Amino acid sequence: GAGVSQSPRYKVAKRGQDVALRCDPISGHVSLFWYQQALGQGPEFLTYFQNEAQLDKSGLPSDRFFAERPEGSVSTLKIQRTQQEDSAVYLCASSLVVLAGDNEQFFGPGTRLTVL
Amino acid sequence: SQQGEEDPQALSIQEGENATMNCSYKTSINNLQWYRQNSGRGLVHLILIRSNEREKHSGRLRVTLDTSKKSSSLLITASRAADTASYFCATDAFQFYFGTGTSLTVIP
Repeated sequence: GAGVSQSPRYKVAKRGQDVALRCDPISGHVSLFWYQQALGQGPEFLTYFQNEAQLDKSGLPSDRFFAERPEGSVSTLKIQRTQQEDSAVYLCASSLVVLAGDNEQFFGPGTRLTVL
Repeated sequence: SQQGEEDPQALSIQEGENATMNCSYKTSINNLQWYRQNSGRGLVHLILIRSNEREKHSGRLRVTLDTSKKSSSLLITASRAADTASYFCATDAFQFYFGTGTSLTVIP
């Protein structure tokens, strides 16, 4: 596709439910990033993949958060036993080359998660 | 944690005026990037400035970088209503650290 896509765009979950958020990066992009953006805040880094390898997951807030990119393209961010504080917009970004800082990141529209 | 901090948090100007936003950061960087986010949308890259550059232009955008003060500014000249958005600076480490953003409103 022409850009990064994410699905679903909106997700409402009851507290305690598991959710899975999908990201389709730009074809051929090596790097993939997940960010969490709370209302009125900037994006906060969650995790980073280089191809299928998860090189940094230091931003994941708890062990309820899990991300994977098994074939080096599509990525899924899974949140288990969702809590109200997980409510946020989850942004996915991809970048052509390895080093994040040296290149533009292309962002998807985000998935807005609301936990009731 | 967020390394970049934008200032002001909110800015409202008339169409045609210039808008200036500032960003301060804490540690050494290789480069600094500015992004724009329209309400409910993802971020769009505007401009990248490397640590050995002091000023960069792109259309109506002018970015400065002062590594000694660990600060950057984004100037939007001749603003338009369509420039209404939130603007974020992002500094590189292995991943990006984004600030809290400046919310710009351009009044037609």
